[in-house]
Amino acid sequence: GAVVSQHPSRVICKSGTSVKIECRSLDFQATTMFWYRQFPKQSLMLMATSNEGSKATYEQGVEKDKFLINHASLTLSTLTVTSAHPEDSSFYICSAYDWMGTEAFFGQGTRLTVV
Amino acid sequence: GNSVTQMEGPVTLSEEAFLTINCTYTATGYPSLFWYVQYPGEGLQLLLKATKADDKGSNKGFEATYRKETTSFHLEKGSVQVSDSAVYFCALSDSAGGTSYGKLTFGQGTILTVHP
Repeated sequence: GAVVSQHPSRVICKSGTSVKIECRSLDFQATTMFWYRQFPKQSLMLMATSNEGSKATYEQGVEKDKFLINHASLTLSTLTVTSAHPEDSSFYICSAYDWMGTEAFFGQGTRLTVV
Repeated sequence: GNSVTQMEGPVTLSEEAFLTINCTYTATGYPSLFWYVQYPGEGLQLLLKATKADDKGSNKGFEATYRKETTSFHLEKGSVQVSDSAVYFCALSDSAGGTSYGKLTFGQGTILTVHP
């Protein structure tokens, strides 16, 4: 199947700093990418949908100024957590949608710890 | 809104045992239903899917049937192996096809451990 690479896999940052997470589709063009967040022992919650070349669509309750999403090319979407605080510590997962419309492919996830 | 409820885990089985992981859903319209699997250290992978009522998805010995009357999509396997140890997620999307395949509502996940 298609491969989605997410980087970094783990990151620790200080409170108040910003962190960028990359999501790349390695062998296909992804017109749409999705960002999820997973709290411990809870399910994945959709944060936002990003379409190449346009503004991301955020789910209700997700602060768009806190979680900046840029989908500048058909193979790369980035999530920047701005002015991170300990409550932003979580597991973030991206998925990329195959343009042929068959399925979404997931990255390995990023464990963010804000200290 | 949409929701997915999975049976609580963790589930621990011996090799060759029968597996059932229950999944029920709430959705308007006619959602598509999915099972994803996450092996240790890896991303989520699509295990199987069904896009309409009474469809049966199957893959790697796993099966699940889309039951609209009971709003269920239970995952089953007749004989599990140690290599099936993973976290299993039931999920739904609003409708068949299009970008909706990527916009998913997930259950909470069920950890399966299979012992030799």
